[in-house]
Amino acid sequence: DQQVKQNSPSLSVQEGRISILNCDYTNSMFDYFLWYKKYPAEGPTFLISISSIKDKNEDGRFTVFLNKSAKHLSLHIVPSQPGDSAVYFCAASGGYKLSFGAGTTVTVRA
Amino acid sequence: DTGVSQDPRHKITKRGQNVTFRCDPISEHNRLYWYRQTLGQGPEFLTYFQNEAQLEKSRLLSDRFSAERPKGSFSTLEIQRTEQGDSAMYLCASSVAAGGTEAFFGQGTRLTVV
Repeated sequence: DQQVKQNSPSLSVQEGRISILNCDYTNSMFDYFLWYKKYPAEGPTFLISISSIKDKNEDGRFTVFLNKSAKHLSLHIVPSQPGDSAVYFCAASGGYKLSFGAGTTVTVRA
Repeated sequence: DTGVSQDPRHKITKRGQNVTFRCDPISEHNRLYWYRQTLGQGPEFLTYFQNEAQLEKSRLLSDRFSAERPKGSFSTLEIQRTEQGDSAMYLCASSVAAGGTEAFFGQGTRLTVV
């Protein structure tokens, strides 16, 4: 059963504009949420996280928003840069192991 | 480099052969995980160690798979009698026990079974 879903397999955005990636989850026991970035032939790289006691967390160009009532989180990247082109995975945890979405491929156009 | 290290990066093997992968976690991390990723999917949890104790195994981990973490340091994942369906990227990650659950991943071992 897919407990974490990323319904958009791809996103194309112009350099300098905002990228918005979405993620939905079904398990109410999840209390920690993370975003990872992955380049081809490499392992996922941790990007940003948020605890369920917060609704927003910012780190530089990256902001994660959490809506617990809707079981929805999003990642905003502002401004988007060519180096942001990668696959982005949403992940959720209720303890120690992570449940991942299928990923969204972001392409930043010059 | 103090990140998670995996060896080998790539492995091609014939069906029926045994393979073993190694993971060296970040030194101060006492939690170690194995995940598997196939094309178009996110990583799927396989197993978890806290120090040397294997505390959880996914139902994805058939009897042909075994993982160890002797002395709570590096870990090995062995697949016996490989099948074509075992072809995937095998990812190792580590984290600290306390605080947030950010796991840091290695670069993975790409297994191809021919």
